[in-house]
Amino acid sequence: EAGVAQSPRYKIIEKRQSVAFWCNPISGHATLYWYQQILGQGPKLLIQFQNNGVVDDSQLPKDRFSAERLKGVDSTLKIQPAKLEDSAVYLCASSPPGHGRYEQYFGPGTRLTVT
Amino acid sequence: AQSVTQLDSQVPVFEEAPVELRCNYSSSVSVYLFWYVQYPNQGLQLLLKYLSGSTLVKGINGFEAEFNKSQTSFHLRKPSVHISDTAEYFCAVTPRAGNMLTFGGGTRLMVKP
Repeated sequence: EAGVAQSPRYKIIEKRQSVAFWCNPISGHATLYWYQQILGQGPKLLIQFQNNGVVDDSQLPKDRFSAERLKGVDSTLKIQPAKLEDSAVYLCASSPPGHGRYEQYFGPGTRLTVT
Repeated sequence: AQSVTQLDSQVPVFEEAPVELRCNYSSSVSVYLFWYVQYPNQGLQLLLKYLSGSTLVKGINGFEAEFNKSQTSFHLRKPSVHISDTAEYFCAVTPRAGNMLTFGGGTRLMVKP
């Protein structure tokens, strides 16, 4: 079974530029999550999708961050414009429906550096 | 709202020694509890979870954790660590009515030969 795929793995941009990250979850996983992990901290949930609908985006800075999950499969997270404090690893995770829904499977992450 | 506190940011230990990584949580509702491991430049991998039943939970790689409701703790233990256990360990909780993880700040386990 293929895992959660993310690209790119690394990205360096200047502040005020825009950037987009892509995630492809495990096949059949209805729920998809985006987390932000700042160096030295635990991951923080940004947004949760159930199929192609948003379940929770209360911690997403909506003035600059946006996310979509078209067709309920893969997802993109965008930052526009980026700030220095957005430097972090962006993790995507997915979970299956039913009894396994509490087990989240994480991708390798995208490390963003904003200069 | 939930919060998770991992009391030790770093735990150095010699190979084959026992280890305990501490986790305390706070929540106004019932929660499920998890431990994840993160190896360098990789995503998180689930070690174990407590959903219900026995408060002693066994996970992968010889790890186990004990849920203590009265002390709101979920400490992770291993009786004998290996060099390959060197990684960052995260405790996390989710309310039973939802599936949104709140993570602790992490504990870096450093196993020395």
